[in-house]
Amino acid sequence: AQRVTQPEKLLSVFKGAPVELKCNYSYSGSPELFWYVQYSRQRLQLLLRHISRESIKGFTADLNKGETSFHLKKPFAQEEDSAMYYCAPPREGNNRLAFGKGNQVVVIP
Amino acid sequence: NAGVTQTPKFQVLKTGQSMTLQCAQDMNHEYMSWYRQDPGMGLRLIHYSVGAGITDQGEVPNGYNVSRSTTEDFPLRLLSAAPSQTSVYFCASRLGMDATYNSPLHFGNGTRLTVT
Repeated sequence: AQRVTQPEKLLSVFKGAPVELKCNYSYSGSPELFWYVQYSRQRLQLLLRHISRESIKGFTADLNKGETSFHLKKPFAQEEDSAMYYCAPPREGNNRLAFGKGNQVVVIP
Repeated sequence: NAGVTQTPKFQVLKTGQSMTLQCAQDMNHEYMSWYRQDPGMGLRLIHYSVGAGITDQGEVPNGYNVSRSTTEDFPLRLLSAAPSQTSVYFCASRLGMDATYNSPLHFGNGTRLTVT
């Protein structure tokens, strides 16, 4: 099955420190990759998509096809970055969009 | 556009009861799906649909039924609720699954279900 892997479940960082959330994927075709964010008790919302190469709320993510990775980075964490982050999957051949376990980020003031 | 609308927001059921979680979207999205979110387990796909009249199983389909009679609606039915189904349920939709698309999922606000 084509999957994404987010190795760290919980990541605690101090305010102002860099944040990196790792995402590795296994996919044989051209991946469609996204990062979603879920703030406390809210719906998941799109943070970044790989195709647009944009920076949102200071976050960036670069697709590295050689390493099959799509890591999310921010140079200086803010308290409002505390949330759950999901690296969103490439579409499987049967159109299933199955997520991974996500990363809980806690930014310590 | 209202986006993806889920009802109810909260529900408490007793073991063995049945109920339907409603999901509607007004974006003319072909793809709709249901996920459950549990601590430490992330988002797990229950059922999904690539268009009206078409549904398929996800990772954890047991105990749940779905139907897709219209493009807009994708209800999730719990046939006989069990405590293991206590979870937060999210409905999501996106444009079609054509390979040329790179469209994200749009999520509802979630339904918090407790089964006692």
